[in-house]
Amino acid sequence: AQSVTQLGSHVSVSEGALVLLRCNYSSSVPPYLFWYVQYPNQGLQLLLKYTSAATLVKGINGFEAEFKKSETSFHLTKPSAHMSDAAEYFCAVSVGGMRFGAGTRLTVKP
Amino acid sequence: DSGVTQTPKHLITATGQRVTLRCSPRSGDLSVYWYQQSLDQGLQFLIQYYNGEERAKGNILERFSAQQFPDLHSELNLSSLELGDSALYFCASSASGKSDTQYFGPGTRLTVL
Repeated sequence: AQSVTQLGSHVSVSEGALVLLRCNYSSSVPPYLFWYVQYPNQGLQLLLKYTSAATLVKGINGFEAEFKKSETSFHLTKPSAHMSDAAEYFCAVSVGGMRFGAGTRLTVKP
Repeated sequence: DSGVTQTPKHLITATGQRVTLRCSPRSGDLSVYWYQQSLDQGLQFLIQYYNGEERAKGNILERFSAQQFPDLHSELNLSSLELGDSALYFCASSASGKSDTQYFGPGTRLTVL
């Protein structure tokens, strides 16, 4: 069954530093992959999704992700972290319903 | 604002009781999904409805049921509640299929005492 694994339950970066959140998928066919963000006491907001049109996907708030079939990865990056990026990030694969990873909590230090 | 609405925002009830959570999808979306988010289980897909019909089932307990009405709003019924059912319940909607973005509502926080 298709699934995703997020490496690192907690990532801490300094403001202005590179953000890298890791996600690997298991799928024998091209998957539908998504990154969502959840701010405290809120629902999930879509950051970006992979539609197979392009391997580098640009999302909102300066985030992007690269689909690498050879590594079965879909890591999320942002060149320069802002304090407002502190949140929980979820990688997901759509199999009808979304199958989510365990989440990565991003902390941004001033 | 995703356009998906959920009521109530908070619900406190006792073990053994039954509750109903309500979701209104975004205008034009035919699919509705229900998810449960808890500390120990994470985010889990429960069930999907498409245009009134059940489309997919996830980790939904037999004590839980859902339906989608002709106006496309959906209800999730939770019965014989247990302490472990305390969680955030999210509804999401999408246009139709697997590749479509799912838009999430703000959630209903259920506390079972």
